Amino acid sequence: KAGVTQTPRYLIKTRGQQVTLSCSPISGHRSVSWYQQTPGQGLQFLFEYFSETQRNKGNFPGRFSGRQFSNSRSEMNVSTLELGDSALYLCASSTHYQSSYNEQFFGPGTRLTVL
Amino acid sequence: DQQVKQNSPSLSVQEGRISILNCDYTNSMFDYFLWYKKYPAEGPTFLISISSIKDKNEDGRFTVFLNKSAKHLSLHIVPSQPGDSAVYFCAAGFQGAQKLVFGQGTRLTINP
Repeated sequence: KAGVTQTPRYLIKTRGQQVTLSCSPISGHRSVSWYQQTPGQGLQFLFEYFSETQRNKGNFPGRFSGRQFSNSRSEMNVSTLELGDSALYLCASSTHYQSSYNEQFFGPGTRLTVL
Repeated sequence: DQQVKQNSPSLSVQEGRISILNCDYTNSMFDYFLWYKKYPAEGPTFLISISSIKDKNEDGRFTVFLNKSAKHLSLHIVPSQPGDSAVYFCAAGFQGAQKLVFGQGTRLTINP
C-alpha cells in the first residue's frame, strides 16, 4: 500500500506570493490533517479535513486555508507569504476522524522557504 | 501555551542500554498519548500509544509509562540499537478529534 505522498517536496517563494501544497492520503483513508514544523515552535496543528469538510482548525491566521476533494486528496494554501512561514509542512492521513487512537500516517513533508 | 513538553532536546545512550525519553503535559483532559519517531527528510512514524485510562503499554522493545498524577509519560527502549537514533516526538490528543498536540522533540543518539 502506498504511503502518504506530498508534492512538491521543496519550494522556494518570495514574500507576498502565495503557495499551494498537495497531499494524497493512503488509499482508503478519508481524514487528512496538516501540520507545520518549525525549529522554534515544533509541530503545530493547522487543520483537519474529512469528507471534504473542515472538522478542526488550529490557531493560525486566515492566510492559511485548505480544502479536500471527493477522492480525499487535500491541498493547503498560504497567501501573502511571510518570512515566518518558512517551515516543513506535513500532511497526515487516518481512516476516520473519530477513531479512538487516531493513529496518523505522515507524509515526508514539503519544505517551504520564503525569501 | 506549551501543553506538551519534552525538556531534553537531546539524549545520548550506549548501544544495548536502556533509553528513557520523557514528556510532561499540562492538560489533564487528554484522552491518549502517542510517540512518533522521525528520521531526517521523512515524516514522523507512529511508534506506540497509550490511553489515558492505562498506565503502561508495551510493544516489543518499546514501553510507554503514563503517570497521570504527575502528568508525565516516558518511553523506554530496551535494548537500544543504532537504528533507534532519530528525533522522538511525544504527542497528545482527544477522543474523536484528529488534532494532536506535539512536544518539541528529543534527539536520541545511540552510540556503538
